[in-house]
Amino acid sequence: QKEVEQDPGPLSVPEGAIVSLNCTYSNSAFQYFMWYRQYSRKGPELLMYTYSSGNKEDGRFTAQVDKSSKYISLFIRDSQPSDSATYLCAMSPGGITGANNLFFGTGTRLTVIP
Amino acid sequence: DAGITQSPRHKVTETGTPVTLRCHQTENHRYMYWYRQDPGHGLRLIHYSYGVKDTDKGEVSDGYSVSRSKTEDFLLTLESATSSQTSVYFCAIRPESLGGNTIYFGEGSWLTVV
Repeated sequence: QKEVEQDPGPLSVPEGAIVSLNCTYSNSAFQYFMWYRQYSRKGPELLMYTYSSGNKEDGRFTAQVDKSSKYISLFIRDSQPSDSATYLCAMSPGGITGANNLFFGTGTRLTVIP
Repeated sequence: DAGITQSPRHKVTETGTPVTLRCHQTENHRYMYWYRQDPGHGLRLIHYSYGVKDTDKGEVSDGYSVSRSKTEDFLLTLESATSSQTSVYFCAIRPESLGGNTIYFGEGSWLTVV
């Protein structure tokens, strides 16, 4: 069983839709949770970062962490064609060891149709 | 922009030849990482460095070596390239000043071993 599971999609939505992207994990030691966006043939760019449980909002993006269920989500409101990309979740344990040991999902490919 | 430059960006090489990928950063970060990204596997850590001449292995280090003789440069060497090392290679840095475990990626180096 992989440490982090992510549905690869692909996911296609109409412009303006609310998008929900999710990851599950098995390691209860994970404390830091991140979402990256990766455009085709580009490097991943950090979108959201949360520590422990709870919600974090940044513009149209909201990240949620439910540690009791070992489940994290990224919501995109009013989706735009420019949101079309692959979204990667990542997570790690706390401490110095955790900082050098990130676990990534395989990514969900999203297409927003104009 | 994470201030990371990778070179070469694209390379085709023959099986059995050595290959070196270079990662250059401009912001004196102590921590640097090399990842590879493959379909179905996501991003996997090859090696990382926590200072000049200080390096450690990651999840998929077999067949790879690294060197860091200057803070700004982190080199990844494939000692004898094999077709299984055809992949996209990403360098990353971790800014300690921001806290947490977030890392920032370069634009990638596409390597094909024929």
